[in-house]
Amino acid sequence: KNEVEQSPQNLTAQEGEFITINCSYSVGISALHWLQQHPGGGIVSLFMLSSGKKKHGRLIATINIQEKHSSLHITASHPRDSAVYICAVRGGGGADGLTFGKGTHLIIQP
Amino acid sequence: GAGVSQSPSNKVTEKGKDVELRCDPISGHTALYWYRQSLGQGLEFLIYFQGNSAPDKSGLPSDRFSAERTGGSVSTLTIQRTQQEDSAVYLCASSLPRRAGGELFFGEGSRLTVL
Repeated sequence: KNEVEQSPQNLTAQEGEFITINCSYSVGISALHWLQQHPGGGIVSLFMLSSGKKKHGRLIATINIQEKHSSLHITASHPRDSAVYICAVRGGGGADGLTFGKGTHLIIQP
Repeated sequence: GAGVSQSPSNKVTEKGKDVELRCDPISGHTALYWYRQSLGQGLEFLIYFQGNSAPDKSGLPSDRFSAERTGGSVSTLTIQRTQQEDSAVYLCASSLPRRAGGELFFGEGSRLTVL
């Protein structure tokens, strides 16, 4: 079973700051997902990665397969970025269901 | 429909009753996942369907939980003899196979409250 660790658990920053959220996992995977959940809202998929780097607007996600590590970066952060960011890995141990990290609670203050 | 649809959006039931939760995935999505999120907790994988393959049931917490997916489309999650600890938001997600992208699309969830 894959173990997924996210850090930090909680993060409060000022508007405009560069944000980094980290995710590490224990067993080789076929894909890694970054998800976003706003308070009281649904879950939205931000990225699916199997290698390298992806960028969408102010969001950048990277993955290092050898080190079993991924990062989610937010540039020029904004209060509307306040949400829970969840890392989820697929595969590893022969299973195809997702294993989730506990999430990072991000608050961006104006 | 345009997205993943779940029903009911809210369900309140008495301890010991059976409940059924429905998920209607995006048309053409062969993969379907059920998760749950208890109050203040993270996401917990329950079961995964992929096409005609045998489902991955490794996340089901007890034999009171079961799920089926008829015709490779709509799925029903059944909880028998509900307990208070079953109270959670039950989420469904669907996706195309990984080779076709594999991005996950989530429904809004069914909030279950067991009194």
